[in-house]
Amino acid sequence: KNEVEQSPQNLTAQEGEFITINCSYSVGISALHWLQQHPGGGIVSLFMLSSGKKKHGRLIATINIQEKHSSLHITASHPRDSAVYICAVFYNTDKLIFGTGTRLQVFP
Amino acid sequence: NAGVMQNPRHLVRRRGQEARLRCSPMKGHSHVYWYRQLPEEGLKFMVYLQKENIIDESGMPKERFSAEFPKEGPSILRIQQVVRGDSAAYFCASSPQRGDTQYFGPGTRLTVL
Repeated sequence: KNEVEQSPQNLTAQEGEFITINCSYSVGISALHWLQQHPGGGIVSLFMLSSGKKKHGRLIATINIQEKHSSLHITASHPRDSAVYICAVFYNTDKLIFGTGTRLQVFP
Repeated sequence: NAGVMQNPRHLVRRRGQEARLRCSPMKGHSHVYWYRQLPEEGLKFMVYLQKENIIDESGMPKERFSAEFPKEGPSILRIQQVVRGDSAAYFCASSPQRGDTQYFGPGTRLTVL
């Protein structure tokens, strides 16, 4: 069993839909990253959070440390949001352990 | 402020050759991390370095792989005697402090023929 599990693995949506991607982890962590990997391969850090909720534009990330669960929400999705979204947890503060990613495709 | 730089972006090597991948962290960042993404797989931690020190190399293969982050210059990930299974995307990330947000470079895509 992976230490970081994401669901769903694949997600398709129509433009404008509300998107939710879930991440569950089994190890004790200090913080959690949400990353975006575009089809070209580049990786962008979207959020780092250790408690509560963060918002940036149409993106919202929440974390529940007690339940070891985080969610990434995209409001009013757009085709340019199409990418792989990766959850990664800080383990021992030294390194990131990654989920396998959620591939999102948003159609016009 | 330039982001994390990696070069080359694409590297082709024949089996048995050496591959050298370079990573220049963001200005002011002294913590560097290397990750590998095998085809159709997720990212995996390889090594964490601070200037002149290897802090955690628990993700590095025991043989043929080495990493350094000298006092001056970029961090280098070196793969000796490459094999086809080394073909992957290698990403470097940097952060200003341990446990801070990590900023990723564009990656080096290594192809071993």
